[in-house]
Amino acid sequence: KQEVTQIPAALSVPEGENLVLNCSFTDSAIYNLQWFRQDPGKGLTSLLLIQSSQREQTSGRLNASLDKSSGRSTLYIAASQPGDSATYLCAVMNRDDKIIFGKGTRLHILP
Amino acid sequence: DVKVTQSSRYLVKRTGEKVFLECVQDMDHENMFWYRQDPGLGLRLIYFSYDVKMKEKGDIPEGYSVSREKKERFSLILESASTNQTSMYLCASKSRGRNEQYFGPGTRLTVT
Repeated sequence: KQEVTQIPAALSVPEGENLVLNCSFTDSAIYNLQWFRQDPGKGLTSLLLIQSSQREQTSGRLNASLDKSSGRSTLYIAASQPGDSATYLCAVMNRDDKIIFGKGTRLHILP
Repeated sequence: DVKVTQSSRYLVKRTGEKVFLECVQDMDHENMFWYRQDPGLGLRLIYFSYDVKMKEKGDIPEGYSVSREKKERFSLILESASTNQTSMYLCASKSRGRNEQYFGPGTRLTVT
């Protein structure tokens, strides 16, 4: 059974720093992996989708990588800003089309 | 831009009431999903639908039912609300295949 883990559960970093969020999954037979952002009390906003054949995707200051064989993905945020404070979730789509979510990393950028 | 809307941001209902949560998407997506999100438990799939009038149980369907009469609309029904159904409910949609999933703003339901 696929399990998705995000460590740490919470992270605080000073503004301006580059940072990396981690996501690991137990079954490497996935179709894709998607990173989301969630602000308190709101829905999820899609950030990046990486297909299983891809190694990385970039959008602005965000870069997501995927290493299927080791069951890992990272979300790199460059030059962090207070507005980046949110919870970040990753989700994998299995070969049976089921989507499994991690529990998220709560990020706080210190001004 | 994909838009997924939910009928209410906040709802307060009494135990035993029948509750309808509505979700509408405007991108002609085949697949629609209902999740609930609780602290420490993450997102859990309640039901999903891959076509009109089609539905599949997710991981926690007990106490819920769904309806999909039109492609753009997916309704979640709590037949007799209970306090343990107090939660954040999130609707999502995606097109068929290995594509992005898009979420609505969520409905915070409180059952008293």
